[in-house]
Amino acid sequence: GDSVTQMEGPVTLSEEAFLTINCTYTATGYPSLFWYVQYPGEGLQLLLKATKADDKGSNKGFEATYRKETTSFHLEKGSVQVSDSAVYFCALSKNFGNEKLTFGTGTRLTIIP
Amino acid sequence: DGGITQSPKYLFRKEGQNVTLSCEQNLNHDAMYWYRQDPGQGLRLIYYSQIVNDFQKGDIAEGYSVSREKKESFPLTVTSAQKNPTAFYLCASSIGGDEQFFGPGTRLTVL
Repeated sequence: GDSVTQMEGPVTLSEEAFLTINCTYTATGYPSLFWYVQYPGEGLQLLLKATKADDKGSNKGFEATYRKETTSFHLEKGSVQVSDSAVYFCALSKNFGNEKLTFGTGTRLTIIP
Repeated sequence: DGGITQSPKYLFRKEGQNVTLSCEQNLNHDAMYWYRQDPGQGLRLIYYSQIVNDFQKGDIAEGYSVSREKKESFPLTVTSAQKNPTAFYLCASSIGGDEQFFGPGTRLTVL
């Protein structure tokens, strides 16, 4: 079946450091890929997405590129802030139109001043 | 403002009791979902509904039940058959695209 494997946490970085959170997937066909973020005590928010190979999703300084050859969708940010502290989830969807998401286990990120 | 509401935010249940979690959306979305979140396990799909009066089991449906009598409402009942119900429950909805919108969650604790 479909699956998503992401970098285990927790990850702790200093403010202004470079961030990479690895995500790889296993799926047949051409899934859409997502990064969601969860702040403490809240639900999930979509951070960015990519729907086909070589697409780059970006939002709030975060970026991720859909790499079909390596089945990866790594999340990056050039300079993190304390406010980026949260849990980040990589996910995939097989089809448009009300299809369920398959999530990774999440990576907890803490940024220290 | 449009969005998804879940209530209550915290819920305590005694062993052997059924309990119902509320999920309401005013986004006019057709599809709704229930996920369970446990530490270190990410989110797992319990049930989903693509249209009113229809729903499908997800990956971990045992011990749970749902109904979808109205487009805006998708309540989840955690029954006494669920062996380990303590978890954070998240409801989501989507309109036929790929993005799902999540509610703030309900934390259920079995005493």
